[in-house]
Amino acid sequence: KAGVTQTPRYLIKTRGQQVTLSCSPISGHRSVSWYQQTPGQGLQFLFEYFSETQRNKGNFPGRFSGRQFSNSRSEMNVSTLELGDSALYLCASSPPGRIYNEQFFGPGTRLTVL
Amino acid sequence: KQEVTQIPAALSVPEGENLVLNCSFTDSAIYNLQWFRQDPGKGLTSLLLIQSSQREQTSGRLNASLDKSSGRSTLYIAASQPGDSATYLCAVSDLEGAQKLVFGQGTRLTINP
Repeated sequence: KAGVTQTPRYLIKTRGQQVTLSCSPISGHRSVSWYQQTPGQGLQFLFEYFSETQRNKGNFPGRFSGRQFSNSRSEMNVSTLELGDSALYLCASSPPGRIYNEQFFGPGTRLTVL
Repeated sequence: KQEVTQIPAALSVPEGENLVLNCSFTDSAIYNLQWFRQDPGKGLTSLLLIQSSQREQTSGRLNASLDKSSGRSTLYIAASQPGDSATYLCAVSDLEGAQKLVFGQGTRLTINP
């Protein structure tokens, strides 16, 4: 079974631009979560989608948004980029019907904001 | 608000040693605890998941224990190898957001040949 895939792997943007990142979960997984990883703050939860609905949200400004499609693929969007948005963005998927919600992570998208 | 702490932040040991990584969390009402490994610039690899009702889990040379009442978990690595060099992260999820993991800052482990 293929793992979680994320595209693109690397992105360079300038302040004020917007960016869209994509995540394809493991086949059959319906829950997708997004995390931001920075050297200063570590790994922080952004949001989680299940069956096209946002089920949980972290403490990030409204510039960070996401969505999930009917095939469980998910995208996150960051508008009006700031230098501090430079980070590794990771997504994770979880299988349905399991109580204990093990999460499987993708390789990440490295975003650099200049 | 759940907080997760990992000690030490960095650890360097010679090959072949057994070692213990520590993780503590402030709110004992957790759903589960996961240990991950992260290689530089890469994503996370799940190592072990311990359900809140369990005390430990084992996979190969790895053993993770959980003491919910004291808010602690340990990851034991037996007979360490240079390939074990990586950052090890623990993360907990609570009853309100089972898919929302709260991570520690990690322990950067170096195994010297």
